[in-house]
Amino acid sequence: DTGVSQDPRHKITKRGQNVTFRCDPISEHNRLYWYRQTLGQGPEFLTYFQNEAQLEKSRLLSDRFSAERPKGSFSTLEIQRTEQGDSAMYLCATRGGIEREQFFGPGTRLTVL
Amino acid sequence: EDQVTQSPEALRLQEGESSSLNCSYTVSGLRGLFWYRQDPGKGPEFLFTLYSAGEEKEKERLKATLTKKESFLHITAPKPEDSATYLCAVQAGDSSYKLIFGSGTRLLVRP
Repeated sequence: DTGVSQDPRHKITKRGQNVTFRCDPISEHNRLYWYRQTLGQGPEFLTYFQNEAQLEKSRLLSDRFSAERPKGSFSTLEIQRTEQGDSAMYLCATRGGIEREQFFGPGTRLTVL
Repeated sequence: EDQVTQSPEALRLQEGESSSLNCSYTVSGLRGLFWYRQDPGKGPEFLFTLYSAGEEKEKERLKATLTKKESFLHITAPKPEDSATYLCAVQAGDSSYKLIFGSGTRLLVRP
């Protein structure tokens, strides 16, 4: 257990529905990342927060995706009007101020039917 | 463009049969190279960080090394519990410190 938690662990939804995932970071970590991982591939970067500021977004993050980190604590990732291509594992990772390694949560497995 | 390539895609070993996994990379301004282990259905678990060519790190049966173009993860006398996907990632020189991952090597160690 890295201390990073994600909820829910699994989500099954129908195409066109909205979904929201939550990530609770290690308490003293001010940097938070979202990644997406599809079967047989490594994680791909989606977006990055330092405290409450969203500082970078990947071109993978279409207009249907939005992420927030109110008050620099937990973060949410919302996908609107889900598509079957959104089916993946969504991973959250956090990093402290000095060390460069990122610690990952258990992920949320999304299945869009 | 920053890129990470891992080989082989899959590796089957007998228990006790040592081997190496390869990670080759092209990146502008390498800040660090990272190895993670990932079990099915779980998030990646941090193993090692390497910062400069010539650096080595060890943990139990695993040893990671780094050159200017690639990294190796050596597995000595593996056990079935070492079966997992091993991911390599680089951290480039931009301000976000985001990780760029390879596709991983799926390792199966048979008893």
